[in-house]
Amino acid sequence: AQSVTQLGSHVSVSEGALVLLRCNYSSSVPPYLFWYVQYPNQGLQLLLKYTSAATLVKGINGFEAEFKKSETSFHLTKPSAHMSDAAEYFCAVSDSGNQFYFGTGTSLTVIP
Amino acid sequence: GAVVSQHPSWVICKSGTSVKIECRSLDFQATTMFWYRQFPKQSLMLMATSNEGSKATYEQGVEKDKFLINHASLTLSTLTVTSAHPEDSSFYICSAHRDTDTQYFGPGTRLTVL
Repeated sequence: AQSVTQLGSHVSVSEGALVLLRCNYSSSVPPYLFWYVQYPNQGLQLLLKYTSAATLVKGINGFEAEFKKSETSFHLTKPSAHMSDAAEYFCAVSDSGNQFYFGTGTSLTVIP
Repeated sequence: GAVVSQHPSWVICKSGTSVKIECRSLDFQATTMFWYRQFPKQSLMLMATSNEGSKATYEQGVEKDKFLINHASLTLSTLTVTSAHPEDSSFYICSAHRDTDTQYFGPGTRLTVL
C-alpha cells in the first residue's frame, strides 16, 4: 500500500527566503512521486515528478525535489520564495501512475 | 499540452435535482479518467476511476447510483450527481492520464446545492 505524509499543514516564509515543504512516503514497491500546486478555486497543476530516473528532479517555477530512498522522503524546495508561490501544495505517491494517493496538503504563505 | 477541461466551473442547484459535470481531455486521448472530491481545506478523495467503454470502478463508500459516471469517448467523461443534496456540495476535480505515469487535472467544478 502507498501513502504520503506531509509534515506541516501551514508553512510561512518571507519573500526571498528558502521554501521547504516536507513529504514522506510509504510504498511497498518503487514509487512514483509527484508534487502538485493548487491555487484557490482551481484544479491541480503538476510541479514535478519522480519516476525512477534522476533523484534530483527539477520542476516548473524554480521548484525542485530530491528523492531520498533511505529517508523515504521527497521534500520540495525553492531557493527564493515569490509572492506568487502562495498556494496549496500536495505531495502524491503512485505505484504505477494509475492510483494516486495524496497527502493532506501544505498551505504556503509568503510574507512580503 | 495535456490540457484537461471541466464544465461547468461552478454550478448552483436546488436540492433534489441532478447535475452533470463534464471532463474533457483537449489535446490527447484518455482511456482512463479519474473523479475526485475535495472538501474545503482538505486533500483530494478519489471517488471513481472512469474507463472508456466500460463501467466505472468506484472507491469504497462511494454510491454508484448517486454518482453516475459515463466515459463515452476517449476525450470525455461525465459525472452526474443524482438527486443532489446540500451534503453533496463540494469541489469536484477530474484528471486524465496522458503519459503512463502522470495524471493531469482539470480546473475543478464547484457544486453548491441549496
